[in-house]
Amino acid sequence: GESVGLHLPTLSVQEGDNSIINCAYSNSASDYFIWYKQESGKGPQFIIDIRSNMDKRQGQRVTVLLNKTVKHLSLQIAATQPGDSAVYFCAELESGGSYIPTFGRGTSLIVHP
Amino acid sequence: KAGVTQTPRYLIKTRGQQVTLSCSPISGHRSVSWYQQTPGQGLQFLFEYFSETQRNKGNFPGRFSGRQFSNSRSEMNVSTLELGDSALYLCASSPAGREETQYFGPGTRLLVL
Repeated sequence: GESVGLHLPTLSVQEGDNSIINCAYSNSASDYFIWYKQESGKGPQFIIDIRSNMDKRQGQRVTVLLNKTVKHLSLQIAATQPGDSAVYFCAELESGGSYIPTFGRGTSLIVHP
Repeated sequence: KAGVTQTPRYLIKTRGQQVTLSCSPISGHRSVSWYQQTPGQGLQFLFEYFSETQRNKGNFPGRFSGRQFSNSRSEMNVSTLELGDSALYLCASSPAGREETQYFGPGTRLLVL
């Protein structure tokens, strides 16, 4: 989930497990959502996106679920690998707006071999 | 295509100095956005440039400024540096018509002493 303050929430999993990272967004008018992955020393990298006319979208080993009723987004990573260790951010945007995403605070995923 | 590049990667300055950071977007991308990332505040939007014009601006003081050149390269400048300006400064570029999808550079790590 999202954090307040200095400390990121952390999810620790074993290699091969499935991971679920959660995000609560704030703007009910947001209709486009993106998950980013940020590895140490790098900038955020696009993983997967979803528009508000969808509830679920799948990519390679990743699935994003959107629940507009409770303004909740989740990222599921199947068969988590050590290379998945990173900070994951959700971002929300309002189409027809400024194209500037609002980022969540991030969740740190640690994958133990 | 080469990704977004940022120079320098690391910088140490003292309070009161000014600094200029540079960003080269992905070839063909005309939108460039700048973000400040700190442990306490997360990713915060600074400004966005499109075709040499500032199109959007975040809630940062006037000490933070930027510009974009005709080749879409962008610079940001911070004058009268404060300790709290220590952060990772990220640049992101977007393709025309898909401005909501941002591709990030590796960032410039600024330390103000």
